[in-house]
Amino acid sequence: SAVISQKPSRDICQRGTSLTIQCQVDSQVTMMFWYRQQPGQSLTLIATANQGSEATYESGFVIDKFPISRPNLTFSTLTVSNMSPEDSSIYLCSGKQGANRETQYFGPGTRLLVL
Amino acid sequence: TQLLEQSPQFLSIQEGENLTVYCNSSSVFSSLQWYRQEPGEGPVLLVTVVTGGEVKKLKRLTFQFGDARKDSSLHITAAQPGDTGLYLCAGDSNYQLIWGAGTKLIIKP
Repeated sequence: SAVISQKPSRDICQRGTSLTIQCQVDSQVTMMFWYRQQPGQSLTLIATANQGSEATYESGFVIDKFPISRPNLTFSTLTVSNMSPEDSSIYLCSGKQGANRETQYFGPGTRLLVL
Repeated sequence: TQLLEQSPQFLSIQEGENLTVYCNSSSVFSSLQWYRQEPGEGPVLLVTVVTGGEVKKLKRLTFQFGDARKDSSLHITAAQPGDTGLYLCAGDSNYQLIWGAGTKLIIKP
C-alpha cells in the first residue's frame, strides 16, 4: 500500500493567478495520476504524471493550463494556471503500484476555490 | 466512449435497512473496484473483483461481479450511520480506468 499526502489541503485564489499542488507518496509508485472532482461527484482524470518526461493528458486538458512535474517516483506537482472560477474543484493525486491502473491509492485532495 | 453507469446516484435510508448499488456497462472489464469516499478525504479502495461471477464479502458489504464482467453490485445489509459516504465503482478496461458517477449514501440513525 501507499500513503499519499497533498499540500495545500485547501486554498482560495484570485482569478488569473496560478496554484501549484504538491503530492508526496511514502513509497515508490509506478504510476501517478491527477484527478479533478466536484464535491459528491465522480472523478475526472486530468493526466498521468510520467517520471522525467511530459505528462500524458486526457481529452479536454492541456499542458499550458495544467503543467505537471514528476521528478522522481514519489513526488509530483500539478499547477492550475491562469485560474478562473470554473477551476474551483477538488484536485486529487493518486498512485499505483504495479503495471495497470487498478488499486489506486488516493491523497486527501486539495479543495480549490477561485474567486 | 466507454461508460459505467452507476445507480442510484443518491440514496437516503434508515439505519438497519438493506440497499444495493449497481454499476452497469456494455464494456467488458478485466477488473472492477469499489471505493468509498468521505468528505474531505480521497477515495479508499474497498474491494477488487476480477473473475466473472465472483462474490466477495467485507463484513456487511457483499460485492458481486457479473458473469460477463460487464456489471457489478454492492449490497449492504443492515446499514449503519458509519456507512454514510460516496461510493464509487471503477472498471479497468485496456489499462484505462472508467469511473461510475458515484452513489451518495446517507444512513439516518
